[in-house]
Amino acid sequence: GENVEQHPSTLSVQEGDSAVIKCTYSDSASNYFPWYKQELGKGPQLIIDIRSNVGEKKDQRIAVTLNKTAKHFSLHITETQPEDSAVYFCAASNQYTGNQFYFGTGTSLTVIP
Amino acid sequence: EAGVVQSPRYKIIEKKQPVAFWCNPISGHNTLYWYRQNLGQGPELLIRYENEEAVDDSQLPKDRFSAERLKGVDSTLKIQPAELGDSAVYLCASSERTSGRAGDTQYFGPGTRLTVL
Repeated sequence: GENVEQHPSTLSVQEGDSAVIKCTYSDSASNYFPWYKQELGKGPQLIIDIRSNVGEKKDQRIAVTLNKTAKHFSLHITETQPEDSAVYFCAASNQYTGNQFYFGTGTSLTVIP
Repeated sequence: EAGVVQSPRYKIIEKKQPVAFWCNPISGHNTLYWYRQNLGQGPELLIRYENEEAVDDSQLPKDRFSAERLKGVDSTLKIQPAELGDSAVYLCASSERTSGRAGDTQYFGPGTRLTVL
C-alpha cells in the first residue's frame, strides 16, 4: 500500500518568515494530494490540494508543489502569522484505493510573534 | 452549510466497557469515513461507506469494533469491549461522490476523544 512520509515533525519560524513542509509518497498511482490543517481540539481542515496533472498551485499565502518523478510534494506558507500555528498533514490517494487518504505523520508549526 | 457533526466530543470509560460514537455527515454526501487518530499521528482509515454499504472495512478490528450506516446517512461506530490501546481520537469524514474516483475532498468532523482507563 501507499506510504507517506512527512518532514519535519516540528517547525518553528518567526512571524513573517516562510515555512516549508515536505512529503514523499511511494505509490506511483497516487494522483491526488491534499493538505490539512488541524488546530488543537478540532478536526483536520483542508487548506489546499493538488492533482497529478498540475505541478504547482497557489492560494494567497499558501502554495503546493508536486514532483511526480521524485514522488514528493511540498507545502509552502509565506508571510507566516501566529494563526498559522497548527499541525499540518499531507495525504495521498488514488482511485484504485477508493479515495482512501494515506496521511503523513504531521508537522507541528509554531509561528513566533 | 452545516459541517460533519460528531458526538460525543469526549468520552472516558473503563476498559472492557462498551462505547459508541455517532456521526452525521454533510447533507448529500454519499461517502462516509471513520478514521482513528493516535496521539502525534495522522488519521488512519477504519471503514468507508458508500451510501449504506461498507465498501472497505479491511482495517477495522472486527473482533471488537463494529459500525453501521443503516439509512445511508448517519453512522455509528462501536467498540465492545474497549481496551487501553483504543484511546485515541475517532474522526468521521464525508465526501460527495462515490468510488472509482480520486480527489474527492473529505470534510472532517471535530472528532471524539476517547480515553480508556
